[in-house]
Amino acid sequence: NAGVTQTPKFQVLKTGQSMTLQCAQDMNHNSMYWYRQDPGMGLRLIYYSASEGTTDKGEVPNGYNVSRLNKREFSLRLESAAPSQTSVYFCASSELRGGSNEQFFGPGTRLTVL
Amino acid sequence: GQSLEQPSEVTAVEGAIVQINCTYQTSGFYGLSWYQQHDGGAPTFLSYNALDGLEETGRFSSFLSRSDSYGYLLLQELQMKDSASYFCAVRSGAGSYQLTFGKGTKLSVIP
Repeated sequence: NAGVTQTPKFQVLKTGQSMTLQCAQDMNHNSMYWYRQDPGMGLRLIYYSASEGTTDKGEVPNGYNVSRLNKREFSLRLESAAPSQTSVYFCASSELRGGSNEQFFGPGTRLTVL
Repeated sequence: GQSLEQPSEVTAVEGAIVQINCTYQTSGFYGLSWYQQHDGGAPTFLSYNALDGLEETGRFSSFLSRSDSYGYLLLQELQMKDSASYFCAVRSGAGSYQLTFGKGTKLSVIP
């Protein structure tokens, strides 16, 4: 099993360009998440999808959109990139049984916006 | 709002014991998790506490005091490979899918 995969691994954009970050999981999890991680800021939730067909805003949703394409795939779109969106983006998935909501993370996408 | 406080950096000697503290102020509380992240890598789940007390998993233990809104991660017999960042994270409710993460503690293990 590959777990959670993300593409691309690295990306450089110019201000105003758009792009879509792809995420897929093969663990048959219902829930998926997008986080951004900035130095000294920990992980901040952008959007999440509790189950196929639903999406909800997290802590920092402005400037982003998401699509839960099917149970496996959850994409994050930047419509008009800004330098403030330079960050490392992590996708995660989980199955909400038990108490921990243990989340499994992908390897991340390192995005630079010039 | 939600806030979690943990030290930004900790240094410890190989073979020693280190404790990483986490205090939280959240609008609801269901449980406290810990994640490990090596430089350039993805976070990975370490442990979870929902009830007061100590949970042990090999060299790692995690403690929770709900009345004090406080928890800690204890790493014993430190190894060089334990050098990483450690994040505490709160789940606020049984129906909540969200985890709120602390800013992380960078642990450096020195020979």
